[in-house]
Amino acid sequence: DVKVTQSSRYLVKRTGEKVFLECVQDMDHENMFWYRQDPGLGLRLIYFSYDVKMKEKGDIPEGYSVSREKKERFSLILESASTNQTSMYLCASSPTRDRGNEKLFFGSGTQLSVL
Amino acid sequence: AQKITQTQPGMFVQEKEAVTLDCTYDTSDPSYGLFWYKQPSSGEMIFLIYQGSYDQQNATEGRYSLNFQKARKSANLVISASQLGDSAMYFCAMRERGGGGNKLTFGTGTQLKVEL
Repeated sequence: DVKVTQSSRYLVKRTGEKVFLECVQDMDHENMFWYRQDPGLGLRLIYFSYDVKMKEKGDIPEGYSVSREKKERFSLILESASTNQTSMYLCASSPTRDRGNEKLFFGSGTQLSVL
Repeated sequence: AQKITQTQPGMFVQEKEAVTLDCTYDTSDPSYGLFWYKQPSSGEMIFLIYQGSYDQQNATEGRYSLNFQKARKSANLVISASQLGDSAMYFCAMRERGGGGNKLTFGTGTQLKVEL
């Protein structure tokens, strides 16, 4: 079974702190994604990566950055956390096989609270 | 404009009844895929079903089927014989071939509650 592991299930940080959310997948997937989930807004894409050291902005990249130094690991960085970044963060991965039906495999999420 | 629209924030259904969760989408890409995911209260995202834009038949997976109406740009999820364990948030999502990196765009979700 594909496993996508997020390092923390719950995280509490203070405004202005630098926050790292870590995600590791064990299936050699090329693509990795960071979404945030908010009530009434669904899942919104923050950043994604289709290869090591490659990154692309999603729909809401402001206030975030990412790092992908190794294929299996994709980190989301909040340079200076703010209260409006309190949210559930979901990491996902998928292979690239160009059939179009490749589903995303999700981690269990990190509930981040910024106080 | 919203690419994926789910107009039902919440739905109730009685156990053993069928329920339809609505999803409409907007794209000019002729090649796209539509996905449904289930998110129980535990928070995990569970893939349910996939429909490709060129698929001739509606997708089915056990009690789940996708009512795909291409001309109307709708991809409704039908759950037959509802069970208490079907109570969850359901998300519709789309992948466009013209987009990069296999990303999915999600709707806002429908919270389904199955009652006795």
